[in-house]
Amino acid sequence: NFMLTQPHSVSESPGKTVTISCTRSSGSIASNFVQWYQQRPGSAPTTVIYEDDQRPSGVPDRFSGSIDSSSNSASLTISGLKTEDEADYYCHSYDSSNQVFGGGTKLTVL
Amino acid sequence: QITLKESGPTLVKPTQTLTLTCTFSGFSLTTSGVGVGWIRQPPGKALEWLAFIYWDDDKRYSPSLKSRLTISKDTFKNQVVLTMTNMDPVDTATYYCAHRNIGARHDFDYWGQGTLVIVSS
Repeated sequence: NFMLTQPHSVSESPGKTVTISCTRSSGSIASNFVQWYQQRPGSAPTTVIYEDDQRPSGVPDRFSGSIDSSSNSASLTISGLKTEDEADYYCHSYDSSNQVFGGGTKLTVL
Repeated sequence: QITLKESGPTLVKPTQTLTLTCTFSGFSLTTSGVGVGWIRQPPGKALEWLAFIYWDDDKRYSPSLKSRLTISKDTFKNQVVLTMTNMDPVDTATYYCAHRNIGARHDFDYWGQGTLVIVSS
């Protein structure tokens, strides 16, 4: 079974760009799609990126996703940061048997 | 539209068995590619996947909790049930059920509101 490792927290100022990483411990990051969820306090997670780089309808194009096979990691990039982007972000992937979530990253916009 | 709602006890005692029900609408668990999963989140901690059941009754469990979990579905009632045996205070968490359709996309695209379960004597 593999793990997904995220930084515990990141912070950036409004209007800036931030990138959150998600590193897969074993197996190729490219072998299964990566999803990203945003979770605000007291609410269920919602998808901001699915299948590595796809944005659901209603998610601003300030959110983008990518994968990098050389580092075996996925990234979520949020540009033009707004205070409303402050939340916890989780990556998610899977293999033939299991679903795996990353440990989450707390984004502070200050 | 798709909705899911979790129900079950708020308080369980250590060693007891927890039974949670996910009641859903807006989709059928007989449709190819569709499944429902359970994910939990201890207070202030990360999401943890528990179990998943597919339209064809294929079932998958978290390796670390497999011996304690059972997932089942009732397609007539539009419900998915999760049981977890031998509850412990560390199992205190908000438990979510979520929809996934691998025939469309691979995320958990619809989530219930979650139900808080506290394990305490």
